[in-house]
Amino acid sequence: QVQLQESGPGLVKPSETLSLTCTVSGSSVNGGYYWGWIRQPPGKGLEWIASLYHSGTTYYNSALKSRVNISLDTSKNEFSLELKSVTAADTAVYFCARVDIVAAGFPFDSWGQGTLVTVSS
Amino acid sequence: ELVMTQSPGTLSVSPGERATLSCRASKSVSNNLAWYQQKPGQAPRLLIYGASTRATGVPARFSGSGSGTEFTLTISSLQSEDFAFYYCQQYENWPPSWTFGHGTKVEMK
Repeated sequence: QVQLQESGPGLVKPSETLSLTCTVSGSSVNGGYYWGWIRQPPGKGLEWIASLYHSGTTYYNSALKSRVNISLDTSKNEFSLELKSVTAADTAVYFCARVDIVAAGFPFDSWGQGTLVTVSS
Repeated sequence: ELVMTQSPGTLSVSPGERATLSCRASKSVSNNLAWYQQKPGQAPRLLIYGASTRATGVPARFSGSGSGTEFTLTISSLQSEDFAFYYCQQYENWPPSWTFGHGTKVEMK
């Protein structure tokens, strides 16, 4: 059974870079899946941030594209998120998830528990 | 830009009753539509994909229908554990992107 676990600082200063890592167990990040990041501001809904394929091809939410970078580390079986120039509006719970590319509509079938990142000085 | 609109924002239902949640896309998404359940402090859980296929382990009281721009999630007989937030999510093939609706809260009446 696949498990995903987010890790990274819980507090980031405004204008700095938010960096998170998702460690995957029970599935290979090189195993033919998409992997993604989704966030949820406190009390609000879900927002897709970015996804990447096992080949390393990346796809970004157009609203965040200029500030986001995601990458894969197959040696550690993990993938990462960087979000630059953060503001208070980037305060959210950040989830990593796996995309089931066999299922119609490419749903997120497995999720990490989420990690709260607060942007504050 | 594709927009997903969910209605109602809040649905008040008594246990044992039927709940019907709607999701509308601003343009056709074929059957590339998923539904998720989220309880406070938890990650979302995939319920339905491909508009109408239940994910593994999802009870039969959950059903999805629709295609194109209009979709429905029905909970045939609400159980206490079903009171939660529900989100629809669409997938666009190219370039690949995923968009969530703003959610419907199902609360106890």
